[in-house]
Amino acid sequence: DAKTTQPTSMDCAEGRAANLPCNHSTISGNEYVYWYRQIHSQGPQYIIHGLKNNETNEMASLIITEDRKSSTLILPHATLRDTAVYYCIVADSWGKLQFGAGTQVVVTP
Amino acid sequence: EPEVTQTPSHQVTQMGQEVILRCVPISNHLYFYWYRQILGQKVEFLVSFYNNEISEKSEIFDDQFSVERPDGSNFTLKIRSTKLEDSAMYFCASSVDSPMNTEAFFGQGTRLTVV
Repeated sequence: DAKTTQPTSMDCAEGRAANLPCNHSTISGNEYVYWYRQIHSQGPQYIIHGLKNNETNEMASLIITEDRKSSTLILPHATLRDTAVYYCIVADSWGKLQFGAGTQVVVTP
Repeated sequence: EPEVTQTPSHQVTQMGQEVILRCVPISNHLYFYWYRQILGQKVEFLVSFYNNEISEKSEIFDDQFSVERPDGSNFTLKIRSTKLEDSAMYFCASSVDSPMNTEAFFGQGTRLTVV
């Protein structure tokens, strides 16, 4: 079973920030938190990952709580092209990403 | 931008037939993976491959499945005797470094339909 819990769906207005929460209360000390997304039936696309510190790249920001039991992915200015299923994944073991059901994000005009 | 390439995009095969799905990972990547997604379901890990051998495999990856890196560029998934339940989207992925701290790049997938 996936080690993360995410809301099933979320709507976001175009141009606004989208904040996607994820709970991973059983995360262990050496496990990273990854975020991927899947647009329609395309291959999953990497967004960002982190261990302890907050991370930012050109796509998003990742905020990890100090106890590492939860995190939030922030899409700063959502566009219609950001409509996708977003997966929060804790790296389970070497080479294995365990995808859950993810959060269906719909960006509306 | 470099990308993982999968061929064919769609494969239709008869039950019981062998099928080979092909992938060209990004050229300097060392770690390779296969995932699958049955229509409407989650993306499922099948197998990871490093240094010409399987690193980890899931329960799905039984004796009917095999992987190979026949040359310096291709990475293949073979299903020996396809079943109806093998119908799914199959994604190949690769990463440059240890997957614990690096991104995996996914291909656009091969849709396998077993009839």
